[in-house]
Amino acid sequence: NAGVTQTPKFRILKIGQSMTLQCAQDMNHNYMYWYRQDPGMGLKLIYYSVGAGITDKGEVPNGYNVSRSTTEDFPLRLELAAPSQTSVYFCASSYAGGPVGELFFGEGSRLTVL
Amino acid sequence: AQKITQTQPGMFVQEKEAVTLDCTYDTSDQSYGLFWYKQPSSGEMIFLIYQGSYDEQNATEGRYSLNFQKARKSANLVISASQLGDSAMYFCAMREGPGGGSNYKLTFGKGTLLTVNP
Repeated sequence: NAGVTQTPKFRILKIGQSMTLQCAQDMNHNYMYWYRQDPGMGLKLIYYSVGAGITDKGEVPNGYNVSRSTTEDFPLRLELAAPSQTSVYFCASSYAGGPVGELFFGEGSRLTVL
Repeated sequence: AQKITQTQPGMFVQEKEAVTLDCTYDTSDQSYGLFWYKQPSSGEMIFLIYQGSYDEQNATEGRYSLNFQKARKSANLVISASQLGDSAMYFCAMREGPGGGSNYKLTFGKGTLLTVNP
């Protein structure tokens, strides 16, 4: 029962470095999402994907890139890390067929940019 | 304008009492969905309850119920018989547009931190 798996759980980056947050789900969900959570600000959508090969921007996409080559994987790329990207990142997935479509979340990845 | 407003940054409740967490929303869509998630101190996001805009009855899931007042655009979460394990951050979220084939993007409120006192 893995669900949504994110790696790494913690990472410290220096300003200007790049990295990729990995996300994989084993529930055969069509839709996947990346959110960031800043203290006191709730979750904001960075990017989302409705299927392999299809991605779209969310509310706060600047400084990030995504790709979706398979149904299972949805990595988030941070280019030229900035202190403003210090946050907790959540990957989520949802099933496309039901009326509810609740999101299933990974455990989060805490990123600090110094 | 914020689409989801949670006006209570923090709430306190005594164990075994009921508590209501407020959520108001703003949308011009006729079809939408409202969700509540729980985030314990360990950080994971746990889905609690869902209410569709066309659902005539308030949603219930065990000790959780959603007090849906469509005309007032409110979707308050009621937790009955609070337990110590209910201490967590609670987020209200909205999906605009119908489910069943749409993209299911959610917009979240800023959350309410609930503390249950023994």
